[in-house]
Amino acid sequence: DTGVSQNPRHKITKRGQNVTFRCDPISEHNRLYWYRQTLGQGPEFLTYFQNEAQLEKSRLLSDRFSAERPKGSFSTLEIQRTEQGDSAMYLCASSLGQGSSYNEQFFGPGTRLTVL
Amino acid sequence: EDQVTQSPEALRLQEGESSSLNCSYTVSGLRGLFWYRQDPGKGPEFLFTLYSAGEEKEKERLKATLTKKESFLHITAPKPEDSATYLCAVRETSGSRLTFGEGTQLTVNP
Repeated sequence: DTGVSQNPRHKITKRGQNVTFRCDPISEHNRLYWYRQTLGQGPEFLTYFQNEAQLEKSRLLSDRFSAERPKGSFSTLEIQRTEQGDSAMYLCASSLGQGSSYNEQFFGPGTRLTVL
Repeated sequence: EDQVTQSPEALRLQEGESSSLNCSYTVSGLRGLFWYRQDPGKGPEFLFTLYSAGEEKEKERLKATLTKKESFLHITAPKPEDSATYLCAVRETSGSRLTFGEGTQLTVNP
């Protein structure tokens, strides 16, 4: 399967701990996106990369959140000093940067974070 | 600011009972309107992209249409396996982010 993969699939942590999630996009895609989804809501945009450059960040992305894509391939999303309000599904998506189909974003299975 | 509103929030159908889901949107300039299907505990699965008013796309029992203010997802003769949450999203001309609605939870009873 050459789709978007995310690890871990589930993470349970205690309030105040740091957590890191990983996303591996579809191999030929140079754009990578992070979204957050809470129960009963649609996904909310957090940030996106084109290759290794982080081009846009949402106001939702507080200073406790940091994302990297060091070599333009996989990406990590770190949350420092987790709070109960950070409990959500964290979704990664990727897309082509050019061409007629470059708009479509393909999502991974998500990482479910529970902060106790 | 982009806004997407989906209705109804939830819809229960009998197998074979056709219906439509609505997605109303407000965006400064539309670069694309997207429909996704999401099963519980999984990531959204891409269904369609629509770019301009009057455009229609079909896939099996699903047909998506687009006007200047809204999109419809028509489901013809649904089956229980069509049960899922259907999400609508827009992308504006000046950005890359998708703005999603809250989704319509569809249940198809056998």
